[in-house]
Amino acid sequence: GESVGLHLPTLSVQEGDNSIINCAYSNSASDYFIWYKQESGKGPQFIIDIRSNMDKRQGQRVTALLNKTVKHLSLQIAATQPGDSAVYFCADSLGMGFQKLVFGTGTRLLVSP
Amino acid sequence: NAGVMQNPRHLVRRRGQEARLRCSPMKGHSHVYWYRQLPEEGLKFMVYLQKENIIDESGMPKERFSAEFPKEGPSILRIQQVVRGDSAAYFCASSPRGTNEKLFFGSGTQLSVL
Repeated sequence: GESVGLHLPTLSVQEGDNSIINCAYSNSASDYFIWYKQESGKGPQFIIDIRSNMDKRQGQRVTALLNKTVKHLSLQIAATQPGDSAVYFCADSLGMGFQKLVFGTGTRLLVSP
Repeated sequence: NAGVMQNPRHLVRRRGQEARLRCSPMKGHSHVYWYRQLPEEGLKFMVYLQKENIIDESGMPKERFSAEFPKEGPSILRIQQVVRGDSAAYFCASSPRGTNEKLFFGSGTQLSVL
């Protein structure tokens, strides 16, 4: 069945450090992944997406990595700031055009000044 | 350009009452998705609608739950005879096309059942 899971429920970092949030997926047919940030009391906010024909996608301060061999995703945040504190979810769209996003449990990122 | 608007933000109901959650998609978006989130968990897909049509309701409980997206007006998620287990945050998302690319989520409705 489909499942998207995260390795660590909470990640604590110092301001300025780089953060890495990991995610595993189980569906070999998955070909499109999305990272969302959710702040307390708010809806998920799109951060970055990555397709299965990529192994890396660069954003402004974020990088999405995909290792299809071991079905593993990572979100790297450079120079983490207190405003990055939130819960981060990876989501699997099970193929472009497939209507249901499957969300992981989430990793809480805590950034200390 | 206003984002996805959900109301109310907080809704308190007693067991057995009805809950109505409203979602106005972003301007120009005709695809609406409803997700449910329990505390400390990820979002779970419930239903996908286009104007006047339910496309996929496979994530929605068969009983007590219904959704609509009329030609005019917001999408409505209706929960009849609420039970304590319905307490959750309900999020609506919209997109201009029928894919999951860059779904825009609302701020959610927190339903509390007493």
